Amino acid sequence: QSVLTQPPSVSGAPGQTVTISCTGSSSNIGAGYDVHWYQHLPGTAPKLLIYGNFNRPSGVPDRFSGSRSGTSASLAITGLQAEDEADYYCQSYDRSLNGSGIFGTGTKVTVL
Amino acid sequence: QVQVEQSGAEVKKPGASVKVSCKASGYSITNYGFSWVRQAPGQGLEWMGWISGYNGKTNYAQKFQGRITMTTDTTTSTAYMELGSLRFDDTAVYYCARASDSSAWTTGEFFDFWGQGTLVTVSS
Repeated sequence: QSVLTQPPSVSGAPGQTVTISCTGSSSNIGAGYDVHWYQHLPGTAPKLLIYGNFNRPSGVPDRFSGSRSGTSASLAITGLQAEDEADYYCQSYDRSLNGSGIFGTGTKVTVL
Repeated sequence: QVQVEQSGAEVKKPGASVKVSCKASGYSITNYGFSWVRQAPGQGLEWMGWISGYNGKTNYAQKFQGRITMTTDTTTSTAYMELGSLRFDDTAVYYCARASDSSAWTTGEFFDFWGQGTLVTVSS
């Protein structure tokens, strides 16, 4: 059962900016644990987009950026492109669940 | 280049066990860990646990304690996840992913390379 809450969906026109929130609590994000983000197209392997709150792996465009503050984190996609239409998940660590890994509830990004 | 290749789809009856494999190439598994993540139909990603590629230490999600076993074989660079006492709601795509730390499950773990997924269907 996820303890990181994301909006079910966000949408934007090509070229616009969309932001996805990831809201946790004092036992995960609020405790200072890192947040990571993944892009997932159905039927394919998830792809790491952001690690350590704001770091991009090589090959990930700088249109994707991450931030963390308090008990929440955010992923921003600027200059939205058709190929960005996918599901996005945040991921962190929770100390209240036997030191468990946790994923957010997931957000579907639609490019209008 | 780094690749993670999983075994093929499985169909199992309720109460049975399933063992999924994950063969790594392009790096030494002793320098990393593996996590297993699943996605049930229409649902989000769910973390199942982690195993060290270095020393075989494990950390399982509470939900699966008692019916999950993760192992590695360093001679073949392969990780395994066995889930027992299968139920209908275990039907899902199961992913293995390379985890960033090798010897301990730490607070900053992330998953940088993923397998293609293995569909496990539990059906009578």
